[in-house]
Amino acid sequence: LAKTTQPISMDSYEGQEVNITCSHNNIATNDYITWYQQFPSQGPRFIIQGYKTKVTNEVASLFIPADRKSSTLSLPRVSLSDTAVYYCLVRPAYSGAGSYQLTFGKGTKLSVIP
Amino acid sequence: SAVISQKPSRDICQRGTSLTIQCQVDSQVTMMFWYRQQPGQSLTLIATANQGSEATYESGFVIDKFPISRPNLTFSTLTVSNMSPEDSSIYLCSVETGAGANVLTFGAGSRLTVL
Repeated sequence: LAKTTQPISMDSYEGQEVNITCSHNNIATNDYITWYQQFPSQGPRFIIQGYKTKVTNEVASLFIPADRKSSTLSLPRVSLSDTAVYYCLVRPAYSGAGSYQLTFGKGTKLSVIP
Repeated sequence: SAVISQKPSRDICQRGTSLTIQCQVDSQVTMMFWYRQQPGQSLTLIATANQGSEATYESGFVIDKFPISRPNLTFSTLTVSNMSPEDSSIYLCSVETGAGANVLTFGAGSRLTVL
């Protein structure tokens, strides 16, 4: 079970690029890295997922180095509405019986400042 | 991705009572997951519910306290029994979607306050 470590909190000004790094030193070969965003009074929402190198979608980019022991979520030009808690979750693509590996870490609370 | 509806969205309960939370999904899913999120904390998995079999509970959670039903492939309930103020939390239902490698979709949660 890959344990994840993230900074507890980060502050950023509006319009800046924000990079949040997650460490997962004991990631397994068949593990994927998934990032979620959670606003107050809502359930977490999927942002992006990757296995290696770089993945980009309409809201974020995910950078994964060759050793896959960490990953960085990049949010371009953040706005006040990006203030939320961000979680990285490492788990296999196909969960085996009795091994769903659904443990969330503490997450990173991002505060965007005007 | 799947759409999840949870009821109630919030409730205030008296100590010693029980409350049942409902989770309805707009598509058939094999597994449903119940999480607890205490104020200001991360999510903790309570149990995994598979239709037609007993739920699988995580360490620290027991069936007598958190009985779960899974009568069909779109519905599940979580009961919080004999509540105490320490049970005041947000309870979230989640399913794996078909998007990506087992990406999770969550309901909005049920916020319980126990007096």
